[in-house]
Amino acid sequence: GENVEQHPSTLSVQEGDSAVIKCTYSDSASNYFPWYKQELGKRPQLIIDIRSNVGEKKDQRIAVTLNKTAKHFSLHITETQPEDSAVYFCAALRDTDKLIFGTGTRLQVFP
Amino acid sequence: GAGVSQSPSNKVTEKGKDVELRCDPISGHTALYWYRQRLGQGLEFLIYFQGNSAPDKSGLPSDRFSAERTGESVSTLTIQRTQQEDSAVYLCASSQLSGGLGQPQHFGDGTRLSIL
Repeated sequence: GENVEQHPSTLSVQEGDSAVIKCTYSDSASNYFPWYKQELGKRPQLIIDIRSNVGEKKDQRIAVTLNKTAKHFSLHITETQPEDSAVYFCAALRDTDKLIFGTGTRLQVFP
Repeated sequence: GAGVSQSPSNKVTEKGKDVELRCDPISGHTALYWYRQRLGQGLEFLIYFQGNSAPDKSGLPSDRFSAERTGESVSTLTIQRTQQEDSAVYLCASSQLSGGLGQPQHFGDGTRLSIL
């Protein structure tokens, strides 16, 4: 079955810097890769997703890149702000509707 | 409703008691998922209901855990003879069925379960 690894587990950046979180997956047939943001005590919320027929997708300060050959995808946050502080989860989906989640990255943005 | 609704939001119970958690998915969402999230940990898949097909129960940690769903509406997760290690936030999510192409999952606020 699918296995998703996420790195780093914690990430601290200065406000205004960029943050990058990387996930690798094991099943080359995986075709959908969402990213969720979970603030403390809140529900996970989808922030961006990418499908396997696309290499990159951007939404304002957030971007996701996908390298199918290497089987990894990354979340890029530019011009970080304190409100970006949260736990971020990546996930991968193969030929079912069952997502496999990474273990999460705790991002702290210091003013 | 506008989003996924879970109840109760908090549940405190004594070890050995049974608990029932409820999830109301977004109207029209055929797929429904239950996850467990221990403090500071990731999302642990429990069970997945997909339309009229048999549910995927591969994530249920023991036979004390069971879940039901009536059609495409409400789901209940039942934990029998609760243990302290069952303490966690139980999250429900729903999505449209995508035939394997992937659809965003929308999460509820969860039920925070504490076993004394």
